[in-house]
Amino acid sequence: EVQLVQSGSEMKKPGATVKISCKVSGYTFTDYYIHWVQQAPGKGPEWMGLVDPEDVESIYAEKFQGRVTITADTSTDTAYMDLSSLRSEDTAVYYCATGVVIGVYDSWGQGTLVTVSS
Amino acid sequence: EIVMTQSPATLSVSPGERATLSCRASQSFGSNLAWYQQKPGQAPRLLIYGASTRATGIPARFSGSGSGTEFTLTISSLQSEDFGVYYCQQYNTWPPGCSFGQGTKLEIK
Repeated sequence: EVQLVQSGSEMKKPGATVKISCKVSGYTFTDYYIHWVQQAPGKGPEWMGLVDPEDVESIYAEKFQGRVTITADTSTDTAYMDLSSLRSEDTAVYYCATGVVIGVYDSWGQGTLVTVSS
Repeated sequence: EIVMTQSPATLSVSPGERATLSCRASQSFGSNLAWYQQKPGQAPRLLIYGASTRATGIPARFSGSGSGTEFTLTISSLQSEDFGVYYCQQYNTWPPGCSFGQGTKLEIK
């Protein structure tokens, strides 16, 4: 069974950086990209970027370029997402997700709530 | 960026009736369209991809159709467990990226 297990909720001050982990099991970690998605309260999901665990190359959405870093550690089958220069608008649930077809997410993490407040 | 617009914002349907959800794209992109169901406090669940292919384990009452800019998700006979927010998603295989709609909230009448 494919499982993606994320780290717990975070509370951060404006300007800080948050790091969220996503540990994968149930398949070969390097077989599929890991994507990260932001979902603000009451809004639709928004794609942030992805990492290819095979070569640790990342691609980012233009909106988050410069503030997001997505990495992968094949020794622990874990992907990470760092988001810096946090502002109140970054208060959201962040999900990691994956799937056989690029862009189609048939497996998701449970989500990590990040609250940004002074 | 392709903008996805869903309608209606809220839909109230009685059990056993048909529910029809719409999704319109700001420009044509073929059939790389997926539908997800999300319940409160849960991650989205994949229902349909490739506009009309049901994901593994999804009941036959869920069906998708459309191509280009107009897409539809139909639930043929609504069950009580089908409540939630439904999102459409346009996706690119390469370069990767995607856009989600703002969602349709499906309420059981």
